[in-house]
Amino acid sequence: EIVLTQSPGTLSLSPGERATLSCRASQSVSDNYLAWYQQKPGQAPRFFIYGASNRATGIPDRFSGSGSGTDFTLTISRLEPEDFAVYYCQQYGGSPPYTFGQGTKLEIK
Amino acid sequence: EVQLVESGGGLVKPGGSLRLSCAASGISFNDVWLSWVRQAPGKGLEWVGRVKSRADGGTTDYATPVKGRFTISRDDSKNTLFLQMNSLKSEDTAVYYCATGGSAFDIWGQGTMVTVSS
Repeated sequence: EIVLTQSPGTLSLSPGERATLSCRASQSVSDNYLAWYQQKPGQAPRFFIYGASNRATGIPDRFSGSGSGTDFTLTISRLEPEDFAVYYCQQYGGSPPYTFGQGTKLEIK
Repeated sequence: EVQLVESGGGLVKPGGSLRLSCAASGISFNDVWLSWVRQAPGKGLEWVGRVKSRADGGTTDYATPVKGRFTISRDDSKNTLFLQMNSLKSEDTAVYYCATGGSAFDIWGQGTMVTVSS
């Protein structure tokens, strides 16, 4: 089973700043099948990025994903107030089980 | 608009059973793979299992912690996904989400809470 480790656990930034969230896998993620989700309190997760770098439908272009192999990054170029939430990475390469990272909380400084 | 609505959650004693449902609308239900993902209180997300479309064999896969206790099924005539949970343990306490997709999950329901406690 692939273990995903996200860092930092909490990131405190101000609106307008750039955010960089990291996701590291314990072994190479097959075909870079790495997704990112956003979750706000009391809400279901929302699909944001797939295939490491492809934005899902309706996701603003200030969000970008990058990386390959075992190291992946979600970057938010200029934070908007609605971007403050918890972000999870998830690997879905090959056969199950498909695992999630423990999450990064992006909070307003 | 695509919508997934879970139901069936509640309080159950350890060792008990519960059946969750997920009603879908706005999608070609027959063609999609579907999954269950859970989230324990204050914790992260955990994939529970999936069912493929009938055209792709309709087979199921499960996470190790639930294998042999949980069963995923689907009724394409009713656009509904099910999760039968038996031999429930306290560690199964979580919000259970259904989602479209068998590996990455693009549309999610609002979730239903399952509490396993005596």
